[in-house]
Amino acid sequence: DAKTTQPNSMESNEEEPVHLPCNHSTISGTDYIHWYRQLPSQGPEYVIHGLTSNVNNRMASLAIAEDRKSSTLILHRATLRDAAVYYCILRDPGGGADGLTFGKGTHLIIQP
Amino acid sequence: DAGITQSPRHKVTETGTPVTLRCHQTENHRYMYWYRQDPGHGLRLIHYSYGVKDTDKGEVSDGYSVSRSKTEDFLLTLESATSSQTSVYFCAISERGRKPQHFGDGTRLSIL
Repeated sequence: DAKTTQPNSMESNEEEPVHLPCNHSTISGTDYIHWYRQLPSQGPEYVIHGLTSNVNNRMASLAIAEDRKSSTLILHRATLRDAAVYYCILRDPGGGADGLTFGKGTHLIIQP
Repeated sequence: DAGITQSPRHKVTETGTPVTLRCHQTENHRYMYWYRQDPGHGLRLIHYSYGVKDTDKGEVSDGYSVSRSKTEDFLLTLESATSSQTSVYFCAISERGRKPQHFGDGTRLSIL
């Protein structure tokens, strides 16, 4: 899986939008962009994924740059429960059934 | 939430003893994974399974074995536990090889 780069940490205020960036300059044409998050003392949780078009679900939105070399996970209205480590991971659907490659992610701190 | 149960949730044991961790799923997903998470390393894949009796090694498989005799159960065994295997172990499942993975709540294993 291609490499991603994320800031080590970010801080935001409760009830404000949060934009979490991810750079993936070596992304291939078939790589999907996946986001997971891990709350304290819990297992990782799938958030969202996309290929080219922006994606929305009940948890978040994913904005993908036109050249696909970067993406942004958007939490529209952060709550204290969104404090977690967020991981951006690239996955080629044509690859094998092997596991996810987690980097260090972005530690999101939410201030009340 | 995906039906994934890990047992035990916590275990303390001594060096040299055998340990078996169990992952049980009720989703009938074909793919199952074992990861370990240590400070400074993030999650790393130990072994995975792509069907009953079909397993393969991950990044950190030395000292671990797995078995999958039925779809719903994936067992991770430490034949002779060492202190370096003290970690938090997560099981994950996936409907297909490169679909999003869903994680259990983890097993905290301490080897003294």
